[in-house]
Amino acid sequence: SQQGEEDPQALSIQEGENATMNCSYKTSINNLQWYRQNSGRGLVHLILIRSNEREKHSGRLRVTLDTSKKSSSLLITASRAADTASYFCATGNDMRFGAGTRLTVKP
Amino acid sequence: DAEITQSPRHKITETGRQVTLACHQTWNHNNMFWYRQDLGHGLRLIHYSYGVHDTNKGEVSDGYSVSRSNTEDLPLTLESAASSQTSVYFCASSELPMGGELFFGEGSRLTVL
Repeated sequence: SQQGEEDPQALSIQEGENATMNCSYKTSINNLQWYRQNSGRGLVHLILIRSNEREKHSGRLRVTLDTSKKSSSLLITASRAADTASYFCATGNDMRFGAGTRLTVKP
Repeated sequence: DAEITQSPRHKITETGRQVTLACHQTWNHNNMFWYRQDLGHGLRLIHYSYGVHDTNKGEVSDGYSVSRSNTEDLPLTLESAASSQTSVYFCASSELPMGGELFFGEGSRLTVL
């Protein structure tokens, strides 16, 4: 069974728009991580947010964590065509991944 | 630069054959992991190792085995390949045993006919 569940499954936006994807999880966590996967490639770590943090920024990425709702969101601002990829959250000591959100950014 | 490499990148085999997927990392990480990725299931953990001679079962370990004879390598063996094992396999390593940043290989696409 998956620990993290991303929503939506797919998202299509225009270049320059913001993209928001969400992750819900079931059990208590120490941290939550977001990864990106370009088509046909391995996953790449984007950002880690600890359970005692509510928000974290890295460049155009903003991650929030609400442990009371067991949810996290990843916001990509001013999206670019190169942001087209699948995005996954991973939680728990056993690093369970969801099925991912497939983001398409149209030029 | 440190890296993690998988081989082969693509393999086609027949049902019942033994298959070994190689994973080699130069990060000097003690912790290594094997996942499989299937549409609609995300990544599922197969086996993991916290160090030399240590191996542990993950969520979907049936039909798979691993061995860890050194820090750099964690080969994944399918003892008798089944069509249900057609998938993309990813190896990863981490500085931390669990909950740490994972560094992934590029994946091995296995087709079992």
